[in-house]
Amino acid sequence: KAGVTQTPRYLIKTRGQQVTLSCSPISGHRSVSWYQQTPGQGLQFLFEYFSETQRNKGNFPGRFSGRQFSNSRSEMNVSTLELGDSALYLCASSKTTGVETQYFGPGTRLLVL
Amino acid sequence: ILNVEQSPQSLHVQEGDSTNFTCSFPSSNFYALHWYRWETAKSPEALFVMTLNGDEKKKGRISATLNTKEGYSYLYIKGSQPEDSATYLCAFISKSGYSTLTFGKGTMLLVSP
Repeated sequence: KAGVTQTPRYLIKTRGQQVTLSCSPISGHRSVSWYQQTPGQGLQFLFEYFSETQRNKGNFPGRFSGRQFSNSRSEMNVSTLELGDSALYLCASSKTTGVETQYFGPGTRLLVL
Repeated sequence: ILNVEQSPQSLHVQEGDSTNFTCSFPSSNFYALHWYRWETAKSPEALFVMTLNGDEKKKGRISATLNTKEGYSYLYIKGSQPEDSATYLCAFISKSGYSTLTFGKGTMLLVSP
C-alpha cells in the first residue's frame, strides 16, 4: 500500500509570493491534517480536513488556507509569503478521525528568501 | 493553549543501555496520546496510540505506559541500539480536538556503538 505522498519535496520562494503544497493520503483514508515544523516551535497544527470539510484550524494567520477534494487529496496555500514561513510542512492521513493512527508524509521543505 | 512537555530534551547513551523518556500533558479533557519516532530525513513513524489510564503498549524493545489521572506517559527502550537513534515525539489529543495532535518538542536520542 502506498504511503502518504507530498509534492513538491523542496521549494524556494521569495517574500510576497504565494505557494501551493499538495498531499495525497493513503488510499481509503478520508482525514488529512497539516502541520508546520520550525526549529524553535516544533510541530504545530495547521488544519484538519475530513470528507472535504475543514473540521479544525490551528492558530495561524488567514494567509494559510487549505482544501480537500472528493478523492481526499488535500492542498494548502500560503499567500504573501514571509521569511518566517520557511519550514517543513507535513501532512498526515488517517482512516477517520479521533484516535486513529495518523500516517505522515515526507514533508515539503519551503524556503522563503 | 494545551501544553505538552517532554523530557529530557536530548539523551546520549551507549549501545545496550536501557533508557526512558517522559511526556507530560493536561490530565483534564484527555482523549488519546500518540508516540512517534522521527528519524532524520524520514517521515514520523507511529509507535503507539494510547487511550486508557494504565494502558501499557509494547513493540519489540520499546514499550510505553500511560497515566491519565496525573497526566504523564513514559516511553522505555530496552537495550538501545544505534538504529534507535531518532527524535521521539508524543502528541496529545483532547476530547474537543477532533484529530488534532498537539506535539511536545521531542526527545532526541543518540545511541553510540
